[in-house]
Amino acid sequence: EVQLVESGGGLVKPGGSLRLSCAASGFTIGSYSMNWVRQAPGKGLQWVSSISGSGKYTHYADSVKGRFTMSRDNAKNSVSLQMNSLRADDTAVYYCVRGLIRGILDFWGQGSLLAVSS
Amino acid sequence: DIQMTQSPSFLSASIGDRVTIACQASQDVKKYLNWYQQKPGKAPKLLISDASNLETEVPSRFSGTGSGTDFTLTISSLQPDDIATYFCQQYDDLLLTFGPGTKVDFK
Repeated sequence: EVQLVESGGGLVKPGGSLRLSCAASGFTIGSYSMNWVRQAPGKGLQWVSSISGSGKYTHYADSVKGRFTMSRDNAKNSVSLQMNSLRADDTAVYYCVRGLIRGILDFWGQGSLLAVSS
Repeated sequence: DIQMTQSPSFLSASIGDRVTIACQASQDVKKYLNWYQQKPGKAPKLLISDASNLETEVPSRFSGTGSGTDFTLTISSLQPDDIATYFCQQYDDLLLTFGPGTKVDFK
């Protein structure tokens, strides 16, 4: 059974840092791109970042570029999102998502909540 | 960057009704358009990929059409389990953009 389990969310003060992790099971992440997608409370979906199967290529939304860094550990079958210089508008549920070709997001984790507040 | 719009934002319908949701891209996205269903408190679920490919185990009452800039998601006969918010999403030049969503509820 395919599973994606996010962890690491919580309450952070503005300007702070946090690292989200996503543990995959039921498939080998090295064969897929992986993504983070976020959803602010009561709002729509926003793609945040993606990383290629090899880990060689990463891409970010303009709103997080330079502040967030996505990485993967194929040996541990996991991906991470290091988030720095956090702002109130980063508050959201962050979903770890498996990606296929052409940006098809075929499997989603249950999400991890990040709240940025003083 | 490509922008996505959806209409309507909110839709109220009865069981058995035919429901149509429109999605428009600001530029040509060919057929790189996917649809997701999100129920309250749950993660989104992929329904349709590449504009018209129904995912495995998705009921056949769902269908998708379109290419270029204009796309449609249709539910041929609305069922209680279909109450959800539906998002379209495009893929272009390694960047992904979602539409704002259409919330479907019962009349």
